[in-house]
Amino acid sequence: RKEVEQDPGPFNVPEGATVAFNCTYSNSASQSFFWYRQDCRKEPKLLMSVYSSGNEDGRFTAQLNRASQYISLLIRDSKLSDSATYLCVVTSSAADSWGKLQFGAGTQVVVTP
Amino acid sequence: DTEVTQTPKHLVMGMTNKKSLKCEQHMGHRAMYWYKQKAKKPPELMFVYSYEKLSINESVPSRFSPECPNSSLLNLHLHALQPEDSALYLCASSQEGLGQADTQYFGPGTRLTVL
Repeated sequence: RKEVEQDPGPFNVPEGATVAFNCTYSNSASQSFFWYRQDCRKEPKLLMSVYSSGNEDGRFTAQLNRASQYISLLIRDSKLSDSATYLCVVTSSAADSWGKLQFGAGTQVVVTP
Repeated sequence: DTEVTQTPKHLVMGMTNKKSLKCEQHMGHRAMYWYKQKAKKPPELMFVYSYEKLSINESVPSRFSPECPNSSLLNLHLHALQPEDSALYLCASSQEGLGQADTQYFGPGTRLTVL
């Protein structure tokens, strides 16, 4: 089983609509959670960290459910520029993980006019 | 400023060539990383330097040789590569040393093609 799993999509979203997707992680010792976005042939860019109480940054809302070991990302009022692959990233402070990033395979979002 | 720079942006090399990739950050970050990313796959960790010392080598073939000349620079020396080594090579840095679950910031990458 992969440590971090995501629905690869693509999620085809009309402009202005809301889209949400989840990411599950298997290591209960995971401590830090992030969403990165990656445009085609570009580097991953930090979108937001995910905090236990959930957090919002403009049109983006991230949630963490430790009991069920998943995080979610919701995008409201989707823009064409939101089209990208969204990478779920998890780290663990366990000694054998040394804070290494564990990446999901990414969820592709395509916003259409 | 969370900028990590990488040069060159693109590199084409033959299997007998020797080349180097360069990465630089001036954020005072203490950990620097090399990743390899193939198309439609997530980045795969190759090496980690923490406080200028090699802390992690993820069983990378010896044809890849990392070097950290100082706290701001990270190089990846390439020699006798194979066509399957063609990929996007990403450098990243994080504020704290390895062992801290810290945010990593990525450079734009070097797109490498091995002929």
